[in-house]
Amino acid sequence: DSGVTQTPKHLITATGQRVTLRCSPRSGDLSVYWYQQSLDQGLQFLIQYYNGEERAKGNILERFSAQQFPDLHSELNLSSLELGDSALYFCASSAQTAHGYGYTFGSGTRLTVV
Amino acid sequence: TQLLEQSPQFLSIQEGENLTVYCNSSSVFSSLQWYRQEPGEGPVLLVTVVTGGEVKKLKRLTFQFGDARKDSSLHITAAQPGDTGLYLCAGPGGDMRFGAGTRLTVKP
Repeated sequence: DSGVTQTPKHLITATGQRVTLRCSPRSGDLSVYWYQQSLDQGLQFLIQYYNGEERAKGNILERFSAQQFPDLHSELNLSSLELGDSALYFCASSAQTAHGYGYTFGSGTRLTVV
Repeated sequence: TQLLEQSPQFLSIQEGENLTVYCNSSSVFSSLQWYRQEPGEGPVLLVTVVTGGEVKKLKRLTFQFGDARKDSSLHITAAQPGDTGLYLCAGPGGDMRFGAGTRLTVKP
């Protein structure tokens, strides 16, 4: 157990639907990062939050949004889902927002859009 | 965007062989990290290298950071089937950017 909890582990939904992925960071970590991993694209950075505020944005689609709550858990909302959104979605946390600190990853949510 | 290129993309070897995988960039990094990811799991941090020329050892794994801090290598001695996985290098740059990885298979 890495200490980063992601739910659900698996999600199957239809095109056009909306889903919410949840992440609880490791105790004490203030930064949460979301990544998308597709078979042919590797780990793609989506967005980072630090202590409730958005800190960095990557290749996140407008249909996707995220937030970090006062208790530091984070949610990634994916809407108007398309077949191409099928992927593994990982959350990672770290103690600092400064560079060079290792990330602790959760086990991911496997999203299948049918 | 600072790109990290990893090579080779795929590597299949027999148990007991040695191997080296590479992580290269045209940019200078303040640090580089190596992760290993097994199927269905999230990446797990192996090591962080910070100083140019630094060498770190983790049992049979040896990590080296280039003198110019633009590249890194991972050498595995006497590979075992348990070393099978996706090896990713990552560098900070506003967020953590990952290379595409080297997918290693060690056959018994």
